Amino acid sequence: AQSVAQPEDQVNVAEGNPLTVKCTYSVSGNPYLFWYVQYPNRGLQFLLKYITGDNLVKGSYGFEAEFNKSQTSFHLKKPSALVSDSALYFCAVRAAPKLIFGQGTTLQVKP
Amino acid sequence: EAQVTQNPRYLITVTGKKLTVTCSQNMNHEYMSWYRQDPGLGLRQIYYSMNVEVTDKGDVPEGYKVSRKEKRNFPLILESPSPNQTSLYFCASSLGGVTDTQYFGPGTRLTVL
Repeated sequence: AQSVAQPEDQVNVAEGNPLTVKCTYSVSGNPYLFWYVQYPNRGLQFLLKYITGDNLVKGSYGFEAEFNKSQTSFHLKKPSALVSDSALYFCAVRAAPKLIFGQGTTLQVKP
Repeated sequence: EAQVTQNPRYLITVTGKKLTVTCSQNMNHEYMSWYRQDPGLGLRQIYYSMNVEVTDKGDVPEGYKVSRKEKRNFPLILESPSPNQTSLYFCASSLGGVTDTQYFGPGTRLTVL
């Protein structure tokens, strides 16, 4: 069965430091992977996706994600965190015709 | 402005009282879906629709109905709501399917007493 896991409920970083939000997946076949962000009282917004090609995917708001096939991971990264990055982050994998979401990771960036 | 709208945004109701949550998109998207979000469980898909008059069950369809009579609208119907349907609901749409960027509505917070 296809699944996605986000091992951390919360990640805390200081503003200006690099951040990583972890995601691992289990799929049959080639993985199609996504990151979405949810700000308070808002719907989810698309950040980036991996379909094929370069293992480093660049997305919105300075975020990027690294696809690692051998470790079945798709970690979200940003070189320098902002307080405004504080939000709930979801990793998702395609299990056509639907998406399967992880449980979410709350990112807290402190000034 | 391209958007997905949901109404109502907040709803408190009682067990057994039928309700409908509306969802509308103005992007001419073919694919629409409903999710519920519960703490620690992430988003789980309730129903999806690949096009007009084409709907199918997601992972948690029990207690819900949907219809897709027009391309822009995808209402979620709870015929007899129960307390375990208290949740945050999101409608989403995309151009052709789940590989395409999903556009989410702002959410409907439902409480069933």
